[in-house]
Amino acid sequence: DQQVKQNSPSLSVQEGRISILNCDYTNSMFDYFLWYKKYPAEGPTFLISISSIKDKNEDGRFTVFLNKSAKHLSLHIVPSQPGDSAVYFCAASTSTSYGKLTFGQGTILTVHP
Amino acid sequence: NAGVTQTPKFQVLKTGQSMTLQCAQDMNHNSMYWYRQDPGMGLRLIYYSASEGTTDKGEVPNGYNVSRLNKREFSLRLESAAPSQTSVYFCASSNRGPGTEAFFGQGTRLTVV
Repeated sequence: DQQVKQNSPSLSVQEGRISILNCDYTNSMFDYFLWYKKYPAEGPTFLISISSIKDKNEDGRFTVFLNKSAKHLSLHIVPSQPGDSAVYFCAASTSTSYGKLTFGQGTILTVHP
Repeated sequence: NAGVTQTPKFQVLKTGQSMTLQCAQDMNHNSMYWYRQDPGMGLRLIYYSASEGTTDKGEVPNGYNVSRLNKREFSLRLESAAPSQTSVYFCASSNRGPGTEAFFGQGTRLTVV
């Protein structure tokens, strides 16, 4: 039972354009959502997060949107840069889970110059 | 700053052999975690330690044991390795409590032949 799903295995965009990565979840107890970025042969690094009491959080070129009624979140990267090419993981946790994360399968983003 | 350090980075085992993966963090975090990453599966939690002296099973604990040696160190042991345990293993740490992100090590690529 995959509680967090990223249905797009890959995404290809042109440099300067917007990248939109999507994530769906099924567990209504999740109240904190995170995006991680992972380069080959490295560990995941934290990118941006959002609490369930918000519907948007912005940090520079990165914005995360949360639609609780649809159990859907998305990560927008504007403008996309070649250095953004990586695997992006969506993750979720509950306030009682001691920081344990449930991850999606990941989306490979490729930004072409 | 070291952050989360894992050793070794690579390992090849024969079926039935045992080994211990080491993890240490220098961020004074209370909670530590072991995840495995398999193609198309995202990261899945093996075991976690909410605080020094406690450990609990995650989503995929079978075939593994853990030890929280002190606040800094959390080891993962494979008693009798199986080919199904071929994976990339990540250690992570975080502060306890909701709304905190986890910091990951660089990973250990383990192959069981």
